[in-house]
Amino acid sequence: EAGVAQSPRYKIIEKRQSVAFWCNPISGHATLYWYQQILGQGPKLLIQFQNNGVVDDSQLPKDRFSAERLKGVDSTLKIQPAKLEDSAVYLCASRGGTPSYEQYFGPGTRLTVT
Amino acid sequence: AQSVTQLDSQVPVFEEAPVELRCNYSSSVSVYLFWYVQYPNQGLQLLLKYLSGSTLVKGINGFEAEFNKSQTSFHLRKPSVHISDTAEYFCAVSGRANFNKFYFGSGTKLNVKP
Repeated sequence: EAGVAQSPRYKIIEKRQSVAFWCNPISGHATLYWYQQILGQGPKLLIQFQNNGVVDDSQLPKDRFSAERLKGVDSTLKIQPAKLEDSAVYLCASRGGTPSYEQYFGPGTRLTVT
Repeated sequence: AQSVTQLDSQVPVFEEAPVELRCNYSSSVSVYLFWYVQYPNQGLQLLLKYLSGSTLVKGINGFEAEFNKSQTSFHLRKPSVHISDTAEYFCAVSGRANFNKFYFGSGTKLNVKP
């Protein structure tokens, strides 16, 4: 089966600009996650969707970050305006139903804010 | 909530030597435990998981981990490493009641030297 797809793979922007990331999960996976991975740290959950509804966005900086998952399939994560500290890898993951609790990760988008 | 501590940020080891990567977790509830591997410029890939049953779990690429409830640990081991095992390894925990949300450790970089 095809894996989790993300684009772009790399993005360089200046601070205060806007950027959007796209994720296509594994077909049939109802749960989708966006993580932020800062260099030298483990992934930190930003937002979790179940189908097209938000389950957890407690760590999403809502003043600048937004995410949506239209029709319960693809998802986009947007940052507007970007700050220097947003430089990180943004990982998308998806999960199917039980009994598998495994999350499948995409290759990530490396964002550099200058 | 849960948390994960990976005590070693970097572990250098010679090829064909054994290795242990340490992981301790904190949780007030029963948990599921996971180890993921991340190769450069790639997403995370599941190595193994503990859901229930035998406390010794075997994964891909010859890795295994042992769940120790009394010590709240889930250390990863391999009896003989290869150059190709050079990567970053992440331990993750998820509460059983809310298994959707993963908490990741800060990672351990395994550097296998010839």
